Amino acid sequence: DIVLTQSPLSQPVTPGQPVSISCRSSQSLLHTNGINYLDWYLQRPGQSPQVLIYLASQRASGVPDRFSGSGSGTDFTLRISRVEAEDVGVYYCMQLLQIPLTFGGGTKVEIK
Amino acid sequence: QMQLVESGGGVVQPGRSLRVSCAASGFTFSNYGMHWVRQAPGKGLEWVAVISYDGHNIYYGDSVKGRFTISRDNSKSTVFLQMDSLRLEDTAVYYCAKSEGVSWRDVFDFWGRGTMVTVSS
Repeated sequence: DIVLTQSPLSQPVTPGQPVSISCRSSQSLLHTNGINYLDWYLQRPGQSPQVLIYLASQRASGVPDRFSGSGSGTDFTLRISRVEAEDVGVYYCMQLLQIPLTFGGGTKVEIK
Repeated sequence: QMQLVESGGGVVQPGRSLRVSCAASGFTFSNYGMHWVRQAPGKGLEWVAVISYDGHNIYYGDSVKGRFTISRDNSKSTVFLQMDSLRLEDTAVYYCAKSEGVSWRDVFDFWGRGTMVTVSS
């Protein structure tokens, strides 16, 4: 199975400041078709997860442009350019290259 | 608007069975793959199973393979998860999630609110 390791585990942030979350994969997520099968989800407190980024760098519909995804192969990053209060929650990366699908352990973002 | 409503959760003894359901509305259910994802209390997300739009392709996570069965009824816009031989470690909130397309590689573009399953003696 593919193991995804996220860092940091927790990230206290000041509103307006940038945040970066790392997701490292035990195997390359780059398919032979040139697509990286890595998505990012946010789970706000008490809510269901929602997609932010798919295929490593594609912003999902309705997601603010302060969110961006980058990376290829085994190293991926989610960036928030200027954190807002509504961005608090747990961020998960997820790989869809192979079954079983797997999630990273999560990164908790909280306001200082 | 799009809705996924899970139901059927509850308290069940170890070794027993339970079936949870997810009723969909607001989109053409038969065009999309559907997933189940679970979250143990205070823990992260764990993918459980996927079923293709037509029910012909099904895959499971390692921890539930051989015990859980995913199915769907497109006439009722509902996906099911039959859980047999339940274990204490199956205690979790079970979410259904819609795939954006027909492939299990498509992003999960909408999630339900979940149903709680507690396995306890």
